[in-house]
Amino acid sequence: GENVEQHPSTLSVQEGDSAVIKCTYSDSASNYFPWYKQELGKRPQLIIDIRSNVGEKKDQRIAVTLNKTAKHFSLHITETQPEDSAVYFCASRGTNAGKSTFGDGTTLTVKP
Amino acid sequence: GAGVSQSPRYKVAKRGQDVALRCDPISGHVSLFWYQQALGQGPEFLTYFQNEAQLDKSGLPSDRFFAERPEGSVSTLKIQRTQQEDSAVYLCASGERQGRYGYTFGSGTRLTVV
Repeated sequence: GENVEQHPSTLSVQEGDSAVIKCTYSDSASNYFPWYKQELGKRPQLIIDIRSNVGEKKDQRIAVTLNKTAKHFSLHITETQPEDSAVYFCASRGTNAGKSTFGDGTTLTVKP
Repeated sequence: GAGVSQSPRYKVAKRGQDVALRCDPISGHVSLFWYQQALGQGPEFLTYFQNEAQLDKSGLPSDRFFAERPEGSVSTLKIQRTQQEDSAVYLCASGERQGRYGYTFGSGTRLTVV
């Protein structure tokens, strides 16, 4: 089955700096890669996603890049703010597989 | 509804007790998923429905776990004879169409087995 690895497990940055979280996946058939943000005690919320026919996608301060050949994708957050502090999860999903496989999460702390 | 609703929000069960967790998905959402999230880890897939059909139950950890969605709307995850290792947050998510969009998660049910 699919295996998703996420790095780093914790990340601390100064407000205004950029943050990058990386994930690798094992199943070459995976074609959909969402990112979720989960604040303490709350539900995971979809923040951005990318499909395998696209190499990069941007939404204001967040962007995701995908390298299908290397089977890795990354989340980039620019101009970080304290409210960006949360746990971020990457995930991958195949064409006809309903389920997503999640990484173990990255705890991002943005220091004011 | 406006979002995915799960109940109860918290459940404490004595070991050996049966529990039932409810998920009310967004109206009209075809896909419904159950995930288990242990502390400090990512969600782990349990089972998936498209309408009332359970298309994948490969993630259910044992035959003590059972899920249903009889009318293609509300779903119930049942755990029989709960064990301490069942303690986790159980997340329900719904989606508009299979593989088409990302999920919307509910707030989860935190199950503690004592």
